Amino acid sequence: EVQTLESGGGLVQPGGSLRLSCAASGFNFAGYAMSWVRQAPGKGLEWVSGISGSGTSVHYADSVKGRFTISRDNSKDTVYLQMNNLRADDTALYYCAKNSGAGNYYYMDVWGKGTTVTVSS
Amino acid sequence: QSVLTQPPSVSAAPGQSVTISCSGSISNIGDNYVSWYQQLPGTAPQLLISENNKRPSGIPDRFSGSKSGTSATLGITGLQTGDEADYYCGTWDSSLSAWVFGGGTKLTVL
Repeated sequence: EVQTLESGGGLVQPGGSLRLSCAASGFNFAGYAMSWVRQAPGKGLEWVSGISGSGTSVHYADSVKGRFTISRDNSKDTVYLQMNNLRADDTALYYCAKNSGAGNYYYMDVWGKGTTVTVSS
Repeated sequence: QSVLTQPPSVSAAPGQSVTISCSGSISNIGDNYVSWYQQLPGTAPQLLISENNKRPSGIPDRFSGSKSGTSATLGITGLQTGDEADYYCGTWDSSLSAWVFGGGTKLTVL
C-alpha cells in the first residue's frame, strides 16, 4: 500500500525550530516528488514546499521562503521539513503528500494524515 | 486571499447535481493541469480528479472535471449525504513556481 506517515510535530515557542519527517512506503520513492501542504485551524489548504524525486529541485511558498528547508534521503525513503524562526501563523496541520511524478508540478495523489505544529508562548 | 477563486459554499438536495467553479489565470490554470481534492470532515484531503478530468481508481463516475481557458469546474451528480465535504482545486503556477490551491468550497447536501 502506498502511504506517507508524518512525524515531528509539537508545541514550539515563537522563534523556535522544528523538523518534520515523512516516511514513505509502497512505491519507488526516488521516482517521485514530495510536497508539504499545511492547513491552519479552520482554514484551507496551503502548499508549503516541494522537492523533486532526485532532490535537485526545490520550491517554497513565499510565506516560508528563507525560514523552511525541505530535503529528502532517498536511501531512507524519507522527506524532511526543517522549520526555523517559527511564527504563530505557522500553526497548522502539516500534510506530507506524494506527487504523481518526479517533478514538483505534478499533482498530489497520496496524502498522509498530518502532524500538528503549534507555535505559541 | 487564494490565487485560485472558489465559491465558499454550495448546497443541493440528495440526488441532485452541483458544480463548483475554480477561477485562475494564464500562469496557473491556463498553463497547467487542474486537480481536485475532497476533504471529508476530520480527515486528510484525497485526490478526486487529476489532470483536469481524470478519475483515480475508486472514484465514482458521479464526479467529473473540466477545464476551459483559465477556469475549471468540478461536477457532482446524484448527490449523497456522504459527499458533504470541503472541495479544493489546485494546480501548478508557472510564474510563481509554486503549487496553488483554491480557498475551498464547502458542499452541503440538504
